Amino acid sequence: GNSVTQMEGPVTLSEEAFLTINCTYTATGYPSLFWYVQYPGEGLQLLLKATKADDKGSNKGFEATYRKETTSFHLEKGSVQVSDSAVYFCALSDLNAGGTSYGKLTFGQGTILTVHP
Amino acid sequence: GAGVSQSPSNKVTEKGKDVELRCDPISGHTALYWYRQSLGQGLEFLIYFQGNSAPDKSGLPSDRFSAERTGGSVSTLTIQRTQQEDSAVYLCASSLRVADTQYFGPGTRLTVL
Repeated sequence: GNSVTQMEGPVTLSEEAFLTINCTYTATGYPSLFWYVQYPGEGLQLLLKATKADDKGSNKGFEATYRKETTSFHLEKGSVQVSDSAVYFCALSDLNAGGTSYGKLTFGQGTILTVHP
Repeated sequence: GAGVSQSPSNKVTEKGKDVELRCDPISGHTALYWYRQSLGQGLEFLIYFQGNSAPDKSGLPSDRFSAERTGGSVSTLTIQRTQQEDSAVYLCASSLRVADTQYFGPGTRLTVL
């Protein structure tokens, strides 16, 4: 079956520090990969996505590259801000042969990021 | 340009009672998903609707859980005879078509006493 494993948190950084949150996956087909973010008191929002190998998703200074050879999709940001404090979820959507998975998302366990001034 | 809406935002109920949770997807979105977010299990897929096709119920944890989608729009998730382990945030998401980006609602926080 499909699974997503995320770097365990929580992660605490100072403002302007470099951020990496590791994510690896197992999938039966050829998945699309996502990072979702949940800010305090808000719903899940799509942060970025990549649909094929070597694609790089990017948004708000965050980047992640789809690495098929290492089955990874690590999230990075060069300089974090206090406003980036949130819970980050790595996820995959696997339209396997025949499309029977309907694009449902399989999520990692989430990583809590806290950025201090 | 309304997003996905869910009601109620919070629901407290007693063990054994039935509850109904509602989801209004983005207008025109044909695919609708329900997920559950709980401390012990993280984010789990529950059920999926696409147009007039039979729903994918593979994620429903027990036969106490059911869902319907009327007129291809609003969906209701029903939990019968609630148990304490049903306490969680229930999230609804919709997408324009299957495998398109899913947009999530704010969720319904269910507490079973």
